[in-house]
Amino acid sequence: AQTVTQSQPEMSVQEAETVTLSCTYDTSESNYYLFWYKQPPSRQMILVIRQEAYKQQNATENRFSVNFQKAAKSFSLKISDSQLGDTAMYFCAFMKRSTDKLIFGTGTRLQVFP
Amino acid sequence: NAGVMQNPRHLVRRRGQEARLRCSPMKGHSHVYWYRQLPEEGLKFMVYLQKENIIDESGMPKERFSAEFPKEGPSILRIQQVVRGDSAAYFCASSPAEETDGYTFGSGTRLTVV
Repeated sequence: AQTVTQSQPEMSVQEAETVTLSCTYDTSESNYYLFWYKQPPSRQMILVIRQEAYKQQNATENRFSVNFQKAAKSFSLKISDSQLGDTAMYFCAFMKRSTDKLIFGTGTRLQVFP
Repeated sequence: NAGVMQNPRHLVRRRGQEARLRCSPMKGHSHVYWYRQLPEEGLKFMVYLQKENIIDESGMPKERFSAEFPKEGPSILRIQQVVRGDSAAYFCASSPAEETDGYTFGSGTRLTVV
């Protein structure tokens, strides 16, 4: 069975600084997707970034980028130039390609301070 | 194009009552997923449906929980004889037939059992 581990329950960062959120996963699959979702206090689940396992190039979306280390089964999220609106829970998630089922980690609560 | 619509946003039920949670997928999306989020935890998969078919219900509790996605109308998650432990946020997500970019989540229904 696949598992996703987020070892940082809480993180904080000052506005305009850079922060990295960690995620590791365990799977024997070779064809899968990895995601980072943001959940602000409004509770809405917002897709931040997506990575396909067969792509070696790390995904990037504006200020958000990932460091995908397939051999190490690591998928960290880097947020550059942090903004107050980045304050939220961040969830790492795994999807085996054929199942359409997301497996989530327990989340990291990120607080951005002015 | 409206997003995934869930209602009600908040639902309070007394122990033993029935809870009905509704989800209207995005226009053009034929796949619906239900997830449950307990306090301070990540989302856990419950069920995956297509129109008139349950594709994967491996995350559904064996008793009291049922889900449907009829040919017409929203998907319904039904919880019979609710207990305190059912208190959680229930999220619906939808995707098109050929899922490539990840789901779109609704804002969730927070169920409180008193």
